[in-house]
Amino acid sequence: QKEVEQDPGPLSVPEGAIVSLNCTYSNSAFQYFMWYRQYSRKGPELLMYTYSSGNKEDGRFTAQVDKSSKYISLFIRDSQPSDSATYLCAMRDSGAGSYQLTFGKGTKLSVIP
Amino acid sequence: NAGVTQTPKFQVLKTGQSMTLQCAQDMNHEYMSWYRQDPGMGLRLIHYSVGAGITDQGEVPNGYNVSRSTTEDFPLRLLSAAPSQTSVYFCASSSLKGKLFFGSGTQLSVL
Repeated sequence: QKEVEQDPGPLSVPEGAIVSLNCTYSNSAFQYFMWYRQYSRKGPELLMYTYSSGNKEDGRFTAQVDKSSKYISLFIRDSQPSDSATYLCAMRDSGAGSYQLTFGKGTKLSVIP
Repeated sequence: NAGVTQTPKFQVLKTGQSMTLQCAQDMNHEYMSWYRQDPGMGLRLIHYSVGAGITDQGEVPNGYNVSRSTTEDFPLRLLSAAPSQTSVYFCASSSLKGKLFFGSGTQLSVL
């Protein structure tokens, strides 16, 4: 079993839809959870950063972490064509020397006008 | 604010050639790393460094070499390019236990 599982999609939704992107993980030591957005032919950019369980909201984006289920989600409200990108989840533990992130393989999202 | 700068953006090599991918960051980050990204494989860590003079191997280090003589720079060397090294390469940096910031990538083709 891979440490982080992410449905690769592709996921296609109409403009204005609510999008739900998800990752599951197996390492209970993960404490920091991130979502990156990657446009075609660009580097990943950090979208959301959360610590431990709970929700975090930033504009149309909400990140949710459920450590008991080892499950994280990213919700996009009122999706726009500019949200079309690949979304990568990433996570890290909090131990000494815990610099490295474990990434999901990414979900490709298309928002159709 | 430049962030993480990678050069070149595109490169074509012949099998057996060597080259260096440059990476520089201006955020005074201790941690720097190199990833390759291939379709269906996701991001895979090649090498990383937690400070000047300190480097270590990631998941896929074979065929690559790194050094970290300054905090700002972390070049990646391909010793003898192979077609299997055709990929998109990303450099990234962070403060220790901080948020990881990526460069814009280098698209490398090895013929």
